[in-house]
Amino acid sequence: GQNIDQPTEMTATEGAIVQINCTYQTSGFNGLFWYQQHAGEAPTFLSYNVLDGLEEKGRFSSFLSRSKGYSYLLLKELQMKDSASYLCAFMDSNYQLIWGAGTKLIIKP
Amino acid sequence: IAGITQAPTSQILAAGRRMTLRCTQDMRHNAMYWYRQDLGLGLRLIHYSNTAGTTGKGEVPDGYSVSRANTDDFPLTLASAVPSQTSVYFCASSDGGGSTDTQYFGPGTRLTVL
Repeated sequence: GQNIDQPTEMTATEGAIVQINCTYQTSGFNGLFWYQQHAGEAPTFLSYNVLDGLEEKGRFSSFLSRSKGYSYLLLKELQMKDSASYLCAFMDSNYQLIWGAGTKLIIKP
Repeated sequence: IAGITQAPTSQILAAGRRMTLRCTQDMRHNAMYWYRQDLGLGLRLIHYSNTAGTTGKGEVPDGYSVSRANTDDFPLTLASAVPSQTSVYFCASSDGGGSTDTQYFGPGTRLTVL
């Protein structure tokens, strides 16, 4: 079967670093996506990993280990505007996205 | 402004009524998708279309139908709404180019079925 899991909620302090983990199980894999979703808004694309390793994009980085079925999103120098839900999704063998329930990130001053 | 539009923004609907949610994109994307998002659950795919003239069923298609008469439009119809269809509905589109295919989302329709 297929499944994907990420923590429901995390809290971090403005200016700090936070790592949001995502684990998945699937027989067919075509990449791992991270999206950001502010409350009441649409998801917006953050990153895509298909090979093992770290992809850095400004304050945000995403890591993938295909052998472990594991990814994380790393957010540095946290700002209040980073308060949002972060959605992890993998693309299966049919090129459909399978989504996690999202991690709500709360940033405190 | 290029992107995806959805209408209506929100709707309250009596059970048993028919409802069509509209979705239009101007990015000339081949593929389009309809998802529902419920609290505590991930986005779930209802129906998709890889190209104009074709449609497919996703994870939760029952009670919903779609059509794709042209590239830009992908309406979702609830033939006879039930309270369990209360949700936020997102339309998305992508180039349809395989594994690097990034999906772009519309602003969503919040539907309440009473």
